[in-house]
Amino acid sequence: AQSVTQPDIHITVSEGASLELRCNYSYGATPYLFWYVQSPGQGLQLLLKYFSGDTLVQGIKGFEAEFKRSQSSFNLRKPSVHWSDAAEYFCAVGGGTGANNLFFGTGTRLTVIP
Amino acid sequence: DAGVIQSPRHEVTEMGQEVTLRCKPISGHDYLFWYRQTMMRGLELLIYFNNNVPIDDSGMPEDRFSAKMPNASFSTLKIQPSEPRDSAVYFCASSRATGGNQPQHFGDGTRLSIL
Repeated sequence: AQSVTQPDIHITVSEGASLELRCNYSYGATPYLFWYVQSPGQGLQLLLKYFSGDTLVQGIKGFEAEFKRSQSSFNLRKPSVHWSDAAEYFCAVGGGTGANNLFFGTGTRLTVIP
Repeated sequence: DAGVIQSPRHEVTEMGQEVTLRCKPISGHDYLFWYRQTMMRGLELLIYFNNNVPIDDSGMPEDRFSAKMPNASFSTLKIQPSEPRDSAVYFCASSRATGGNQPQHFGDGTRLSIL
């Protein structure tokens, strides 16, 4: 069965510092992987997705993520965090043909300090 | 393009009352999902539809919860009777086609408070 683990519940970084949010997944076949961001009072917005091909994917707002099959990971990164990046971040895995759901991690809350 | 539209944005009602949440998916999307988000349990999938037909309702917590999709542009999630533990943010999302490889587009949610 699919599952997603986000080990960090809460991360605090200084503005301008680099960021890495961890995501580990469990799935028997090639996964479809997503990162979403949720700002307070809003729904989830897609940051980026991985289906196949280049394992380093670029998303919106300067984010990128790298798929590492050997580690079952899909970590989200940003070289320089802005105060507006403070939000909740969710990793999700989709199961391919016949599996229409996305399975979401529990989220990582990012706080950015000046 | 208009995104997923949910109404109301906020709902406060007393225990025992019927609550109806509404969702308009993105035009052309075949799949519609209802989620519930709480601090304790995170984001939970309640039910999803494909072409207006409920496919998996295993996440619906109790018989007090029901969902319908009478046409491709409208869905409702109803709670009757409501209880304080139903207080949460309820999200609707829609996506194209199948395969779990399509991103879901979320509405801004309905924040439900049951007193």
